[in-house]
Amino acid sequence: SQTIHQWPATLVQPVGSPLSLECTVEGTSNPNLYWYRQAAGRGLQLLFYSVGIGQISSEVPQNLSASRPQDRQFILSSKKLLLSDSGFYLCAWGDLYQETQYFGPGTRLLVL
Amino acid sequence: LAKTTQPISMDSYEGQEVNITCSHNNIATNDYITWYQQFPSQGPRFIIQGYKTKVTNEVASLFIPADRKSSTLSLPRVSLSDTAVYYCLVGEGDYKLSFGAGTTVTVRA
Repeated sequence: SQTIHQWPATLVQPVGSPLSLECTVEGTSNPNLYWYRQAAGRGLQLLFYSVGIGQISSEVPQNLSASRPQDRQFILSSKKLLLSDSGFYLCAWGDLYQETQYFGPGTRLLVL
Repeated sequence: LAKTTQPISMDSYEGQEVNITCSHNNIATNDYITWYQQFPSQGPRFIIQGYKTKVTNEVASLFIPADRKSSTLSLPRVSLSDTAVYYCLVGEGDYKLSFGAGTTVTVRA
């Protein structure tokens, strides 16, 4: 069966510090991968998606970047965090045959 | 992607049936209708998906009229653990789903 991992679960970072969040998927090949952010009490905002290794599409201009160095690895990064980067970050993988997305446990980021 | 409209919140009591209606007037021919459930501090979880008429699984039922401009998620005999946010999404495949604010369902004892 497929499994999606995210780490860390929670993170407190000072403004201006770098960020690296990692997501890995097991049990599937060549998945579509997604990064979302959710502010408190709000819906999910799609940040990046990837249809293959090295292929990244950005949905909104922001202080963040994404990379996909391996088929089942998706990384969200920032060189300098802003207060507005605080939120709940979710990684998801997509199954084209079942036409749905499966989400990881999420990382709660607090920038102080 | 087709835009969806659903109620912001709904209250219910244990044992009752909860029906959440989602409007999607601009749904395209190839679009599927998918519902997700999200508990606090967790990622959304797939509940049910359909294209037309009725779909039922062990968790919920999804009713889709012939014109497909709306859909209704039905949760039978809810319990306190069904308190969550429910999202209605419309799109083709898993590609770039757009999550709105969802419907916050609160189940009371």
